[in-house]
Amino acid sequence: KNEVEQSPQNLTAQEGEFITINCSYSVGISALHWLQQHPGGGIVSLFMLSSGKKKHGRLIATINIQEKHSSLHITASHPRDSAVYICAVPNTGNQFYFGTGTSLTVIP
Amino acid sequence: NAGVTQTPKFQVLKTGQSMTLQCAQDMNHNSMYWYRQDPGMGLRLIYYSASEGTTDKGEVPNGYNVSRLNKREFSLRLESAAPSQTSVYFCASRANLAFGPYEQYFGPGTRLTVT
Repeated sequence: KNEVEQSPQNLTAQEGEFITINCSYSVGISALHWLQQHPGGGIVSLFMLSSGKKKHGRLIATINIQEKHSSLHITASHPRDSAVYICAVPNTGNQFYFGTGTSLTVIP
Repeated sequence: NAGVTQTPKFQVLKTGQSMTLQCAQDMNHNSMYWYRQDPGMGLRLIYYSASEGTTDKGEVPNGYNVSRLNKREFSLRLESAAPSQTSVYFCASRANLAFGPYEQYFGPGTRLTVT
């Protein structure tokens, strides 16, 4: 069983739709990292959060530490949001547990 | 402030050849990492360095060596490349845990093909 589970694995949405990507974890300390990777591109940090909610533009991330669950929401989705979204959880050492990613395609 | 830089961006090797992937960061981070990314596998840790002068094996270290040359630079060496090492390699860095948060910053990646 993977310590960090993301759902769904693949997601296709129409432009303008509200999107939710989920991440559940069974390990790690109380923080979670959301990352974005465009096709053929590098990996960009979106959010690092340990409680509550963070917002950046049309992206919102929430975390429930007690339930070990985080969600990434995209409002008014756009084709440029098409990417793989990865969640990662740090452990007590210097390492991270990574989810396998959610591949999002937004159709115009 | 360039962040995390990696060279080269692309490389093709023949089986048995050797090469070194270079990584440097200018954020004064203590921790540095090498990952490989394969389709359907997610990111897997090859080696990491918690601080200058220390290195530790990750999940998939076989066939690789690393050097933490100084605080800025962390190189990954393939001594005898194999087709199974065809992958995209990412370097990352992170501030010391004591200063939190734990965010990692990634380089642009090196796309390596071994024929």
